[in-house]
Amino acid sequence: KQEVTQIPAALSVPEGENLVLNCSFTDSAIYNLQWFRQDPGKGLTSLLLIQSSQREQTSGRLNASLDKSSGRSTLYIAASQPGDSATYLCAVNWDKGGSEKLVFGKGMKLTVNP
Amino acid sequence: NAGVMQNPRHLVRRRGQEARLRCSPMKGHSHVYWYRQLPEEGLKFMVYLQKENIIDESGMPKERFSAEFPKEGPSILRIQQVVRGDSAAYFCASSLRRGIVNEKLFFGSGTQLSVL
Repeated sequence: KQEVTQIPAALSVPEGENLVLNCSFTDSAIYNLQWFRQDPGKGLTSLLLIQSSQREQTSGRLNASLDKSSGRSTLYIAASQPGDSATYLCAVNWDKGGSEKLVFGKGMKLTVNP
Repeated sequence: NAGVMQNPRHLVRRRGQEARLRCSPMKGHSHVYWYRQLPEEGLKFMVYLQKENIIDESGMPKERFSAEFPKEGPSILRIQQVVRGDSAAYFCASSLRRGIVNEKLFFGSGTQLSVL
């Protein structure tokens, strides 16, 4: 069964820390993997997308890595800020047909305290 | 450019009533996906549609749920005879293309369905 796991479910840190968010998935034959941010009462915003052939992607203070062989992805947030507080979701696409049928983890709720 | 628009934002129904959730994809997008987020659960895929076609409905409950994406107008997710277990946030997402490995998915703000 294709599953995505995010541990821990929640994290509270002081402002300024460098953070590592973990995502693990079964079945290494992925099409791509995305990290999303979800704010309360709002939809999801795509942060980074890593293709199966890639090892990492970067956008500003965010860096996502992918290790298919071990079934893991990591989202690194540098110099965290209170505005980074949100739920972060990892989603894997196993559909080689190219649809956006994603399997999501349950998310990790991040609180960055000023 | 307007993003993915969903309405209503909140919908309250009594058991046995029908719920209709609407989704207008981003301009130019012809691929629509519906996901459901139950309390304390991750988002679960429900259905994938293109204009006038259901491509994949493997995540849809077998009864009471249906979806359409007509040639004109928004995509509709319809839930007949709602039960309390249907209470959830329903998200719509759209994409421009299919089969592109770096194609991103754009989500709406969701419809929160509450069944009394």
